[in-house]
Amino acid sequence: AQRVTQPEKLLSVFKGAPVELKCNYSYSGSPELFWYVQYSRQRLQLLLRHISRESIKGFTADLNKGETSFHLKKPFAQEEDSAMYYCALRDTGNQFYFGTGTSLTVIP
Amino acid sequence: KAGVTQTPRYLIKTRGQQVTLSCSPISGHRSVSWYQQTPGQGLQFLFEYFSETQRNKGNFPGRFSGRQFSNSRSEMNVSTLELGDSALYLCASSLQGAETQYFGPGTRLLVL
Repeated sequence: AQRVTQPEKLLSVFKGAPVELKCNYSYSGSPELFWYVQYSRQRLQLLLRHISRESIKGFTADLNKGETSFHLKKPFAQEEDSAMYYCALRDTGNQFYFGTGTSLTVIP
Repeated sequence: KAGVTQTPRYLIKTRGQQVTLSCSPISGHRSVSWYQQTPGQGLQFLFEYFSETQRNKGNFPGRFSGRQFSNSRSEMNVSTLELGDSALYLCASSLQGAETQYFGPGTRLLVL
């Protein structure tokens, strides 16, 4: 069975501090991992995907197959980063599995 | 390009009734996926349609069904509503299914 776990429901950090949102997955094949973000009163949108290996809005995420993790990191949090973050896995059958989300609050 | 639209935005129904939700994808997108979002379970995949065919299905009872029309618009139907069906229902579209998904604003369903 495929499953995505985000252990933190709520996370608060001060502006300028580093932030890490944790995501662990279980999947027997080669997964494709994503981070989605939902800002207040906006739609859910893609933040980044592991195959792109890019940095979006200062966020990066590295797929660690050994630890089956895909943690989202940013060295210096900004107030506009406050949002709901979802980790997601797409299996080889093109089906998505989402974590339950982490609500990030950046304290000014 | 207009984004994904969903109608209606809000809906109140009573137990036992049925409901139909509609999703219009971004022009040119042929894949439409549906999700149920609840505070306790997060986003759960319902099904995906591509070229009028259901291509993937999540772990939901048969009361949840859908279809896709030739213009890629999709509808989702829930029959014999239960209190636990109260949720935000999101649809997402993509070109063929393997690319970035674009989400709609959702339909918030309340079952009384």
